[in-house]
Amino acid sequence: EIVLTQSPGTLSLSPGERATLSCRASQSVSSWHLAWYQQKPGQAPRLLIYGASNRATGIPDRFSGSGSGTDFTLTISRLEPEDFAVFYCQQYGSSPDTFGQGTKVEIK
Amino acid sequence: QVQLQESGPGLVKPSETLSLTCAVSGYSITSDYYWGWTRQPPGKGLQWIGSIYHTGNTDYNPSLKGRVTMSIDTSKNQFSLRLTSVTAADTAVYRCARRGFNYGYLDYWGQGILVTVSS
Repeated sequence: EIVLTQSPGTLSLSPGERATLSCRASQSVSSWHLAWYQQKPGQAPRLLIYGASNRATGIPDRFSGSGSGTDFTLTISRLEPEDFAVFYCQQYGSSPDTFGQGTKVEIK
Repeated sequence: QVQLQESGPGLVKPSETLSLTCAVSGYSITSDYYWGWTRQPPGKGLQWIGSIYHTGNTDYNPSLKGRVTMSIDTSKNQFSLRLTSVTAADTAVYRCARRGFNYGYLDYWGQGILVTVSS
């Protein structure tokens, strides 16, 4: 199975700052098959990005995704207070689907 | 609006079978999507369990070693999960979700149900 490794484990930033989250795959993943989710405590994950760079419905444009092959990035251009959460990447191109272990973005 | 709601026992004894149902509203389960299950142990990350199409076609995570069975009831617009021979390691929040047919991102999720395996 494809292993996804996210870094860093925790990102401590202030509102207004830029967040850059990494997701590295153990083998190549098609850009069509990479998604990002945001999860807040006690809630289900919310789809942010699919196909590596496409924002899901209703997702603000401060969230952007990029990358190809084995290296993918989620960028939050300016952190809003409601953005602090845990973020997961997922690949769905090779069965079984797999998730990264998560990056927590916390308030500094 | 698509809504998913899990139901089932919150406590299961070791070696027994975990059974959960996901009721879908606002969308027909026979449309062109897969319907899947994930789980998340307390304080940990997400694990994909598997998915099912309305024809009955399934795809399971091999790490669950044949303990998983999914079924679908189109008349009730719901689908189900069975996990046999559970242990404490199966304690998790179980969530159902809608999974794209060609692109398997999960765009609608249930809130989840905590299932604890304990005697």
